[in-house]
Amino acid sequence: ETGVTQTPRHLVMGMTNKKSLKCEQHLGHNAMYWYKQSAKKPLELMFVYSLEERVENNSVPSRFSPECPNSSHLFLHLHTLQPEDSALYLCASSQAVGTLTYEQYFGPGTRLTVT
Amino acid sequence: AQSVTQPDIHITVSEGASLELRCNYSYGATPYLFWYVQSPGQGLQLLLKYFSGDTLVQGIKGFEAEFKRSQSSFNLRKPSVHWSDAAEYFCAVGKTGNQFYFGTGTSLTVIP
Repeated sequence: ETGVTQTPRHLVMGMTNKKSLKCEQHLGHNAMYWYKQSAKKPLELMFVYSLEERVENNSVPSRFSPECPNSSHLFLHLHTLQPEDSALYLCASSQAVGTLTYEQYFGPGTRLTVT
Repeated sequence: AQSVTQPDIHITVSEGASLELRCNYSYGATPYLFWYVQSPGQGLQLLLKYFSGDTLVQGIKGFEAEFKRSQSSFNLRKPSVHWSDAAEYFCAVGKTGNQFYFGTGTSLTVIP
């Protein structure tokens, strides 16, 4: 595997379900990100992990819970979601050196539908 | 405040014609600038980037972009568009501290 991979690619879940999205990067990067992409909206940065520590949480509802067990893996745990949470969820990674952040590399995304 | 504006929501060009996609940014310091492309159902792929130096940068797939500080712009260009270039294009600004800001995207349609 190369680059950034995400599983599953598609997910349909009910509002009472609990599921997790997985992201893995094979680039040796030290920062990872979760984005939400909804139609006709800019990409919304949800979470940032740098060196496995969360450094950004842009007022994301608590029904989204990230986990970064190591620099190569990132999870997004989902529970009691709402229909408006249906979107494409993108994972990205980058190499951060000190305060400089270089370009991000994206996975293919997970298309989430909440019914 | 930082923001990225892509004024064109949708552009249609004929195959073989030239292309220019506009991007304006608002940022108080020297920005890191990026262009990404997204095909349907896919993630974003980096086309090119500008950090410093030569203001005309070359990217993959024959794309180039020019940074113009005076106009706060970073427009993407391609001299001859191919049908496979049809996709969504995103401009982004990066700043220190792992912050990235994306525009709303420009959808490109290529007609034969």
